[in-house]
Amino acid sequence: NAGVMQNPRHLVRRRGQEARLRCSPMKGHSHVYWYRQLPEEGLKFMVYLQKENIIDESGMPKERFSAEFPKEGPSILRIQQVVRGDSAAYFCASSDRPANNSPLHFGNGTRLTVT
Amino acid sequence: QKEVEQNSGPLSVPEGAIASLNCTYSDRGSQSFFWYRQYSGKSPELIMSIYSNGDKEDGRFTAQLNKASQYVSLLIRDSQPSDSATYLCAPDAFQKLVFGTGTRLLVSP
Repeated sequence: NAGVMQNPRHLVRRRGQEARLRCSPMKGHSHVYWYRQLPEEGLKFMVYLQKENIIDESGMPKERFSAEFPKEGPSILRIQQVVRGDSAAYFCASSDRPANNSPLHFGNGTRLTVT
Repeated sequence: QKEVEQNSGPLSVPEGAIASLNCTYSDRGSQSFFWYRQYSGKSPELIMSIYSNGDKEDGRFTAQLNKASQYVSLLIRDSQPSDSATYLCAPDAFQKLVFGTGTRLLVSP
């Protein structure tokens, strides 16, 4: 049973380019969470999605960031016109129920570097 | 007040000792509490979950929860150098987990 799969593991983008981060949840999991971790800082919640629906996006920056979890295929976190401050590790986690009833299982993360 | 507060450490203990990691949280509505371990450059991995007041033991790990005091702790018995990592406390907050910044634990041989 494969765990949460994220790709790419490392992503380098120049300022102004777009970054697309992908996440395939564990088999049987329909709840997906995205977190961002800056160097030497904690995990910051960004968005919670359940198949085709955004449940909670209270942690998403108002501009340039978007997320989706289509009926078929992985969840995508999209960052448009990246800036140096977007450089961070982005972790995806999944669960079979909302996080208040079930632990989250994390992927290995995508390390985004903006040059 | 931060939603989840942890002492950043580092907490240094000798091999074989008990490591005690503490966490306070602000949301009285939190019902589920999780401890994650994160090695440098790696992703968080689940150590323990606790839902009711009291103690829960799993091998060398014991989680303690006191909802009235909004306090949760993790004890690691017989600490090993391989336990050296950052430990993240994560209570739930309306269908998502909110993480503390973590306590860095160093276990010296």
